[in-house]
Amino acid sequence: SQKIEQNSEALNIQEGKTATLTCNYTNYSPAYLQWYRQDPGRGPVFLLLIRENEKEKRKERLKVTFDTTLKQSLFHITASQPADSATYLCALPAYSGAGSYQLTFGKGTKLSVIP
Amino acid sequence: DAGVIQSPRHEVTEMGQEVTLRCKPISGHDYLFWYRQTMMRGLELLIYFNNNVPIDDSGMPEDRFSAKMPNASFSTLKIQPSEPRDSAVYFCASTTNTEAFFGQGTRLTVV
Repeated sequence: SQKIEQNSEALNIQEGKTATLTCNYTNYSPAYLQWYRQDPGRGPVFLLLIRENEKEKRKERLKVTFDTTLKQSLFHITASQPADSATYLCALPAYSGAGSYQLTFGKGTKLSVIP
Repeated sequence: DAGVIQSPRHEVTEMGQEVTLRCKPISGHDYLFWYRQTMMRGLELLIYFNNNVPIDDSGMPEDRFSAKMPNASFSTLKIQPSEPRDSAVYFCASTTNTEAFFGQGTRLTVV
């Protein structure tokens, strides 16, 4: 079965810097990859989806890359703010191919942006 | 739409008791998922439904766990009998394609 690893459990950065989170996966070729944000006491909230034929996607201060050769996605938050502090989860469809909607999640990286 | 609605938000029960968690998905969403989240194991998929039919329940840990979806607007996850190791946050999510919408979760504590 597939395995998803997020590089670190916790990441502390200074306000204004760029935060970079890593998601690595093994054993299959997903059609897409997603990133979610989770705040304490709340459910995950969808942020971005990137498909296997896309190298990069941006949304405001967020940027996601997807390297299917390395089996890795990088998630960047530029000009980070204390309000960006949360846990960020990487998610992939459980199976290769179209029509697979059930997601497998990484354990997440807890980001703390220090003022 | 109010989003995915779960109840109760918190549940404390004694070992051996039956626990029922409830979920109302977003109207029009044809997929419904039940997840469990713990510090040790992260977010794990327990079971999911498509058009009210259970498709994959391979994540359900034991026969003590069961889930139903009697109609498009309601699903339950039942644990009978409950055990302390079932303590976790249980999330329901729904979708119509790739982006999953999660409820606020039910924090279950079994003492």
